[in-house]
Amino acid sequence: DQQVKQNSPSLSVQEGRISILNCDYTNSMFDYFLWYKKYPAEGPTFLISISSIKDKNEDGRFTVFLNKSAKHLSLHIVPSQPGDSAVYFCAASETNSGNTPLVFGKGTRLSVIA
Amino acid sequence: EAEVAQSPRYKITEKSQAVAFWCDPISGHATLYWYRQILGQGPELLVQFQDESVVDDSQLPKDRFSAERLKGVDSTLKIQPAELGDSAMYLCASSHLGGTQYFGPGTRLLVL
Repeated sequence: DQQVKQNSPSLSVQEGRISILNCDYTNSMFDYFLWYKKYPAEGPTFLISISSIKDKNEDGRFTVFLNKSAKHLSLHIVPSQPGDSAVYFCAASETNSGNTPLVFGKGTRLSVIA
Repeated sequence: EAEVAQSPRYKITEKSQAVAFWCDPISGHATLYWYRQILGQGPELLVQFQDESVVDDSQLPKDRFSAERLKGVDSTLKIQPAELGDSAMYLCASSHLGGTQYFGPGTRLLVL
């Protein structure tokens, strides 16, 4: 049973437009959420995170939104650039239970077309 | 910028052979994780260390996998014997207690 779900395996966006990547979770104990970006043959790179006490966190072109009641979060990239083309993983953890490991979704492959 | 180091980057082996992967976490990070990522899936935890102690190894196939972090710094993950289904990317991550996890470049294993 997947606790973190990324239902879109892939997404194509034109350069300069907004990319929206979605993630749903089922475990109500999750209180910390992260997005990682991964290029082929490399490890995941941390992008941005959000605690459950917030509903929005912004860092440059990247914004993460959290809707706790819907158990849904999204990553917005504005404007999208060709270098953003990668696989994006949503991850969650229960920090209130201690230093718990991350639970990842299956990833969404973003292609930004010039 | 400090990084998690892993070696080797690529490993090809035959089934029933032994393989070992090494990880050096970011200096000062007490927590170290080993994840396995199968193609098309997200990373899944194999084992978590806090300093030299195992915190969680519930998903580690202990009949063939072993992990150690003897001095609480670098770590080794071993598979013996390797099976075809072990082909995957093996990722090491480290963090401060309760902090963001930073990943190394991974070791891509192919078992023939």
